[in-house]
Amino acid sequence: KAGVTQTPRYLIKTRGQQVTLSCSPISGHRSVSWYQQTPGQGLQFLFEYFSETQRNKGNFPGRFSGRQFSNSRSEMNVSTLELGDSALYLCASSLEGAKLNSPLHFGNGTRLTVT
Amino acid sequence: DQQVKQNSPSLSVQEGRISILNCDYTNSMFDYFLWYKKYPAEGPTFLISISSIKDKNEDGRFTVFLNKSAKHLSLHIVPSQPGDSAVYFCAATWIFGNEKLTFGTGTRLTIIP
Repeated sequence: KAGVTQTPRYLIKTRGQQVTLSCSPISGHRSVSWYQQTPGQGLQFLFEYFSETQRNKGNFPGRFSGRQFSNSRSEMNVSTLELGDSALYLCASSLEGAKLNSPLHFGNGTRLTVT
Repeated sequence: DQQVKQNSPSLSVQEGRISILNCDYTNSMFDYFLWYKKYPAEGPTFLISISSIKDKNEDGRFTVFLNKSAKHLSLHIVPSQPGDSAVYFCAATWIFGNEKLTFGTGTRLTIIP
């Protein structure tokens, strides 16, 4: 069974630009979550989608948005990039979201660098 | 507001000995806890979990202990192997609702051959 696939692996953008990251979940998983990892901050929850609906949102500004398609694939968009948005963005899929017997399975992430 | 805390940024253990990684939480709503392991340039990998109705869960060399009154959990790895060298993240959620994980900041474990 293929794992969670994230593209691209690396991105370099300039302040003020926008970026779109893509995530393909494990086949059969309907929940897709996005997390941001920065040094010293651990993984911070961005949002979670289930059956094309956003169920949960973390404490990030509106510049961070996402969507999920009918095939469960998800995209995350960051507009008006800031230097502080440089981070590893991780996508995770699961059957039902982060619940008992439904652990999150992570992709290898997209490393975004904003210059 | 760090609701899940891993106070040791790093830990070094001799190969073959026991590794103990600790995690504290502040939110009493949390009732399901997980440990993830992360190698450089890879995403976190699920290791083991425990629900609040248990105080111990074992899977091979990995055991997680939960002390609800102290809001503390620990991961024991016995015996430690060089391949265990990685960053370990503790995470928490509540089973009925939420659907998200709150992570600690991680502990880098180094196994010394």
